[in-house]
This record gives sequence, structure tokens and C-alpha cells, in this order.
Amino acid sequence: EDQVTQSPEALRLQEGESSSLNCSYTVSGLRGLFWYRQDPGKGPEFLFTLYSAGEEKEKERLKATLTKKESFLHITAPKPEDSATYLCAVRGYNNDMRFGAGTRLTVKP
Amino acid sequence: ETGVTQSPTHLIKTRGQQVTLRCSSQSGHNTVSWYQQALGQGPQFIFQYYREEENGRGNFPPRFSGLQFPNYSSELNVNALELDDSALYLCASSWDLNTEAFFGQGTRLTVV
Repeated sequence: EDQVTQSPEALRLQEGESSSLNCSYTVSGLRGLFWYRQDPGKGPEFLFTLYSAGEEKEKERLKATLTKKESFLHITAPKPEDSATYLCAVRGYNNDMRFGAGTRLTVKP
Repeated sequence: ETGVTQSPTHLIKTRGQQVTLRCSSQSGHNTVSWYQQALGQGPQFIFQYYREEENGRGNFPPRFSGLQFPNYSSELNVNALELDDSALYLCASSWDLNTEAFFGQGTRLTVV
């Protein structure tokens, strides 16, 4: 069965303090690994799609990387507006998107 | 703005009742999927439709059913509501089966 585990569950950073979020996964035939950002009470907002090991994507202060077993979301010099829950999901051969429980990021000014 | 809209935004129902939630996908998106998200958890896959046919289903009982229409709208029906059905229900659409999904803002369902 496809599984996604995200760590840590919660992360508190000072503004400007860079860090990384981890997403470990097992999937039967990876057809995509997805990162989303979710603000309280809202739907997830798409950030990145990664399809194969070694692939990297960047957007502003965020950079996502992928290996055969895990993905990292690196946050460089975060700002308070980066505070949100970050969700990782994988899609395998059975077509459904399996989500992790998320990492709740708080960035203090 | 993702172009995916859901209605209603909030809903309160009584245990045992039936509910229909609606979603309008982005034009051109052939795939729509529905998710249930409990507080503090990641979204859980309910089912997916591709060109109006059910294409995959998660571990949800048959009282959760859906439809996708040719005009890029879809609906989620839940019969015999239980207290544990209280959650945020999310609709997501994508161009096809392998591309990223774009989510609506969700419908908050409370069962009392």
C-alpha cells in the first residue's frame, strides 16, 4: 500500500532561519510527487510536481528535491507569510493521490 | 485563484440525512477527484472521475458516491450521514491522470 510520512509534524523558525521539511514515501510505480501549501480553513495550494529521482524545482524561497525514497522541501530565509501547513502527496499506478499528514510551519518575526 | 469552486462553503446536517456537495472544475480539466480532510490530518482520497467515469476509489463505503458531468461540474453525495463524516470536503481537478491537481476552497460539513 502506498504510504507517505512527513516530518517533523511541526516546525517553528525565526524569520531568516533556513530549514528543510521531509517527505518519505513508498509507492507502487511513482507517477508524481506533489507539494502543496495549505492555510487554515482553505484548500491546498499547488507548489511543485516532481516525477523522477534527481529532479529539483524552485519557486521564490522554496526548493523541492526528490530521491527514490524521499523528497525535501527546503525553505531559505523564510518570512512570516510562509507560515502554513505543507503537504506532500504521491500518485502511483492506482491513480489516487496519497497525502501525508503535513508539516505545520510557523515563522516568527 | 485555481478556477475550482465548491458550494456550499459550510453546511450543517443531522445524523442519518443525505447531502450533496458540488464542484465546478477548471474548464478543460478532464479529471476530478474528491477528498475528505479531518482536522489536523492530510486529505484522504474518496474517488476520482475521468471523463465522467469513476477511475479510482479509496477506502470509503458505498454511501459515498459521485458524478461528473460534461460541463466540468461534479458532485459528491453522502447518504446516511454519521457524526464521523464531519470534515472539510475538497474537490480537485487536473488536465489528466498524471498532472497536478488544483483544489477548491472546500466545503466544511458538520454532522450533529
